[in-house]
Amino acid sequence: DAGVIQSPRHEVTEMGQEVTLRCKPISGHNSLFWYRQTMMRGLELLIYFNNNVPIDDSGMPEDRFSAKMPNASFSTLKIQPSEPRDSAVYFCASGQGVSNQPQHFGDGTRLSIL
Amino acid sequence: QKEVEQNSGPLSVPEGAIASLNCTYSDRGSQSFFWYRQYSGKSPELIMSTYSNGDKEDGRFTAQLNKASQYVSLLIRDSQPSDSATYLCASRQGSQGNLIFGKGTKLSVKP
Repeated sequence: DAGVIQSPRHEVTEMGQEVTLRCKPISGHNSLFWYRQTMMRGLELLIYFNNNVPIDDSGMPEDRFSAKMPNASFSTLKIQPSEPRDSAVYFCASGQGVSNQPQHFGDGTRLSIL
Repeated sequence: QKEVEQNSGPLSVPEGAIASLNCTYSDRGSQSFFWYRQYSGKSPELIMSTYSNGDKEDGRFTAQLNKASQYVSLLIRDSQPSDSATYLCASRQGSQGNLIFGKGTKLSVKP
């Protein structure tokens, strides 16, 4: 079975550039989550979608961050303009949106902003 | 602010011993609990889930949940060097989709 697929796996870019991270959830899952992980702050939820609708974006750090889910099989997280403090590993996870069902994580995108 | 607390470790145990990882949560409404294992440079991988008070066993892993005391623990029996990783505890309140994660406990199993 295909798991959650994220691209790119690594991204290195200069500050000020636009960064777009992509995610394909597991087929049949109706919830999708974007997380950011750093040593200092651990795993932080940025935003999650249920049935393609954003439910909670309170974790999005600022207006430079935006996320979309145009259909059930694709989501993007965009940072514009990027800053060095955005450097982190960004994970996408999907689940079936039911309380006793877990989330399954993609391999993550390691983002470095120079 | 809903929180999940874990001792960051590192927790060091000898090979073959029992590793005990603990987690407390602040939201009394939490109903589902999950343990994820994360190897360095990898993504979190689900290893256990639990919803009812008491013990739930799966192979060498046992999850223990005590809702009255608001803690959940993970026991790893016959620890192996391959168990060395960071273990993340997560809770979910009711039917909402998001999980609240702790910062993880780093486990080191020494041969």
